[in-house]
Amino acid sequence: DTEVTQTPKHLVMGMTNKKSLKCEQHMGHRAMYWYKQKAKKPPELMFVYSYEKLSINESVPSRFSPECPNSSLLNLHLHALQPEDSALYLCASSQERHSSTDTQYFGPGTRLTVL
Amino acid sequence: RKEVEQDPGPFNVPEGATVAFNCTYSNSASQSFFWYRQDCRKEPKLLMSVYSSGNEDGRFTAQLNRASQYISLLIRDSKLSDSATYLCVVNMEGNKLVFGAGTILRVKS
Repeated sequence: DTEVTQTPKHLVMGMTNKKSLKCEQHMGHRAMYWYKQKAKKPPELMFVYSYEKLSINESVPSRFSPECPNSSLLNLHLHALQPEDSALYLCASSQERHSSTDTQYFGPGTRLTVL
Repeated sequence: RKEVEQDPGPFNVPEGATVAFNCTYSNSASQSFFWYRQDCRKEPKLLMSVYSSGNEDGRFTAQLNRASQYISLLIRDSKLSDSATYLCVVNMEGNKLVFGAGTILRVKS
């Protein structure tokens, strides 16, 4: 089973709202990721958590705040977003074997629209 | 120079055709390589990992040439269901994947 789930599937929010995106995996993976994908562009890495600790932050604005409550869950808290933040937000996970063959599996994404 | 470069296409091919995609990467220290496929408005799905010796999975064959920093994907006997965007993905360091812009394939009957 290589399933990563994400909720909600769609989210519309205003620039003053606070919302959260959720991601869950039950594959025992110890690395989890947030990506942002704009239309007709490839995914861009935002954050990496390894063993529940933030290991990579790709200079993401502070209006995006990640959280890893446990090894199965990853959240992305959103506050004071801009319309240009509208995109597909993808979560992924991998075993974190510290080897060159560690493979990432993606969830279905949350399609976010900021008004 | 982009870290991972692909021809964006689109490649328009008839059913049954053989089609090849190429990809180049800039970091010679890159450790692992993948092809993902992405359907419209869906998430990327792993198609195959790419090894130096080359690997084959049914109608799909992937090759890696480290000396030339070049990766390829060959699809034989194309099906309508192969229509998608094919993403060349390179693991630059640690957990960091870098995606190419993707190559669009359209298989027509």
